[in-house]
Amino acid sequence: AQTVTQSQPEMSVQEAETVTLSCTYDTSESDYYLFWYKQPPSRQMILVIRQEAYKQQNATENRFSVNFQKAAKSFSLKISDSQLGDAAMYFCAYRRDLRDMRFGAGTRLTVKP
Amino acid sequence: GAVVSQHPSRVICKSGTSVKIECRSLDFQATTMFWYRQFPKQSLMLMATSNEGSKATYEQGVEKDKFLINHASLTLSTLTVTSAHPEDSSFYICRAGTDYGYTFGSGTRLTVV
Repeated sequence: AQTVTQSQPEMSVQEAETVTLSCTYDTSESDYYLFWYKQPPSRQMILVIRQEAYKQQNATENRFSVNFQKAAKSFSLKISDSQLGDAAMYFCAYRRDLRDMRFGAGTRLTVKP
Repeated sequence: GAVVSQHPSRVICKSGTSVKIECRSLDFQATTMFWYRQFPKQSLMLMATSNEGSKATYEQGVEKDKFLINHASLTLSTLTVTSAHPEDSSFYICRAGTDYGYTFGSGTRLTVV
C-alpha cells in the first residue's frame, strides 16, 4: 500500500522568509503523480503544485517550488517570500491511478508578521 | 476553471435521521466522483469512488448501507448519511473530474446532535 508521511505537524515562518515542508512516500510504482494541497480555514482544498514522477525537472508555481527526489521518495515544498495568506494546512498527496489518491497527515503552517 | 459545488456547506441533524449531501460539477461533466471524510485536525480519508451510472466502490471499513452514494448523472453525486449518529459528525468533501483532472468541492460540515 502506498503511504504518505509528513513528519512536521506544525511549522512556523516569518513573513517574507522561506520555509520548506517535508513529505516522503512509499511506493513500488514508477509512474505516479505527487501533489501539494493547501487547506485554509475555509476548508476548501486548493491545489498548490503538482509533479509527474516521470519528469526530472522540479515543478514551480510562482513562489512555490518542489524538491522532488524520486530515488529517495521525497517531495518537499518550498515557499519563498512567505505571505500571511499562506497560513493554512498543507497536505502532500500521492496518486497512482484515478482511484488511489493518498494524503499525508498534514502540516499546519503559521506565518508570523 | 472547473468548479465543483457542494451543498449544504453546513448541516445539523438529529441523531437517527438521514441527511443528503450533494456534489455538483457546474461547468463540466464528471465521470468519476470521490467522497472523503476529514475529522478535525486530521487528513482526508477516502470513503468511496463513484462512476456515473454504476455502483459506488467503497473503501475497506466504510459501511455502504450507512453511507449511500448515488451518481445518477455526469454532473451530480449524492452522499446520504443514514441513521446518523454523533460519531458521524465530520467534514465531508467530494472530488470530481475526469482523466484530465479533478477538483475538490467546498466541503460539508455535518454535526449530529
